Amino acid sequence: AQKITQTQPGMFVQEKEAVTLDCTYDTSDPSYGLFWYKQPSSGEMIFLIYQGSYDQQNATEGRYSLNFQKARKSANLVISASQLGDSAMYFCAMRESNSGGGADGLTFGKGTHLIIQP
Amino acid sequence: GEEVAQTPKHLVRGEGQKAKLYCAPIKGHSYVFWYQQVLKNEFKFLISFQNENVFDETGMPKERFSAKCLPNSPCSLEIQATKLEDSAVYFCASSQLQVNEQFFGPGTRLTVL
Repeated sequence: AQKITQTQPGMFVQEKEAVTLDCTYDTSDPSYGLFWYKQPSSGEMIFLIYQGSYDQQNATEGRYSLNFQKARKSANLVISASQLGDSAMYFCAMRESNSGGGADGLTFGKGTHLIIQP
Repeated sequence: GEEVAQTPKHLVRGEGQKAKLYCAPIKGHSYVFWYQQVLKNEFKFLISFQNENVFDETGMPKERFSAKCLPNSPCSLEIQATKLEDSAVYFCASSQLQVNEQFFGPGTRLTVL
């Protein structure tokens, strides 16, 4: 089974609109972290935001916020007031604690290709 | 340094040749990770280090892949006898603590012909 599922392969959004990128995860580990990365066409991986499984509040970083719904195992990324420079691939990732026997590295979803239109 | 550095940026090898990739983590970061990205959207975790010690190598195809992080040297990922399917972008990432965000280097694009 997929550990990280991103159901939107591609999205077109008008500039200045808010965007929600979906991410659901699957783990039995009580301690885990959820991450979002942006990968522009130039290829670098840019860290955007992090949510720990025990965090009580949703994470926010500037125009990025993470809508964390633990019972639903979802960690959607919300980008407010989208800009042309937001056009990129967006990856959701999870890190489980090693005590669960899982791999220590991040497990990534297949990504969502976001295109912001003027 | 303040950024993860990876060299070379591009590497071309004939099938069967050896490939060696290097990574300098951010100064002060104890954890180093290697990932393989194939086809622009498939990431695979390969191996992680805590300082010079292997932390998790469950993703490594051990028969041809090896990695090291020695003190006062860049970390390295070596592929013996490369195959066509090894063509990918290899990313190195580092983090300060085990659970913190991982900061990625620019990647090394390996092309096996």
